[in-house]
Amino acid sequence: DTGVSQNPRHKITKRGQNVTFRCDPISEHNRLYWYRQTLGQGPEFLTYFQNEAQLEKSRLLSDRFSAERPKGSFSTLEIQRTEQGDSAMYLCASSLDPLGGETQYFGPGTRLLVL
Amino acid sequence: AQSVTQLGSHVSVSEGALVLLRCNYSSSVPPYLFWYVQYPNQGLQLLLKYTTGATLVKGINGFEAEFKKSETSFHLTKPSAHMSDAAEYFCAVSRIQGAQKLVFGQGTRLTINP
Repeated sequence: DTGVSQNPRHKITKRGQNVTFRCDPISEHNRLYWYRQTLGQGPEFLTYFQNEAQLEKSRLLSDRFSAERPKGSFSTLEIQRTEQGDSAMYLCASSLDPLGGETQYFGPGTRLLVL
Repeated sequence: AQSVTQLGSHVSVSEGALVLLRCNYSSSVPPYLFWYVQYPNQGLQLLLKYTTGATLVKGINGFEAEFKKSETSFHLTKPSAHMSDAAEYFCAVSRIQGAQKLVFGQGTRLTINP
């Protein structure tokens, strides 16, 4: 068990550019979540995958955001035409579908700065 | 809908003193409750969780929390603070069926004074 990994750890981009983040969950974890955390706030839910199916999306996830989880393994989160308001820490978490009360294991996050 | 309120964005205690971080939740259905800790530039680590059963939950690093349904609270305590406890603490709630997305409070920054 090597934990949840995220790449890159830091990303600086110019407004209007596209960025893509990757999340590698703990192997055999079938659930994967993306959250966004801005300075001084708690993380906010963005989207959720059960295996390769994207089952829920937050209203925070505008049309410029897209997430995938091909083959139910790693996941990518793409932001198109970035805006300064997209600057945040993007966190990925994975879990195993439990009988009750799952534990989500978080990665270290990708910190995005849009100039 | 679910929401979490953490009372006090900053809490400062002396080393060896009691730590008390307050969390109140709102949920239209019975929830699961969690406390996570976040160290600078790191992801979140689970301290403890309440799902069912005993309302006093013990977690890692000497922390514990008590679920009080009548008060809709899930306060986090530790009898004796250590310098290494300095971090950001988040209370979270999730539903118990389907996608168990976490709804977080705004966090409480804990500072430990020597």
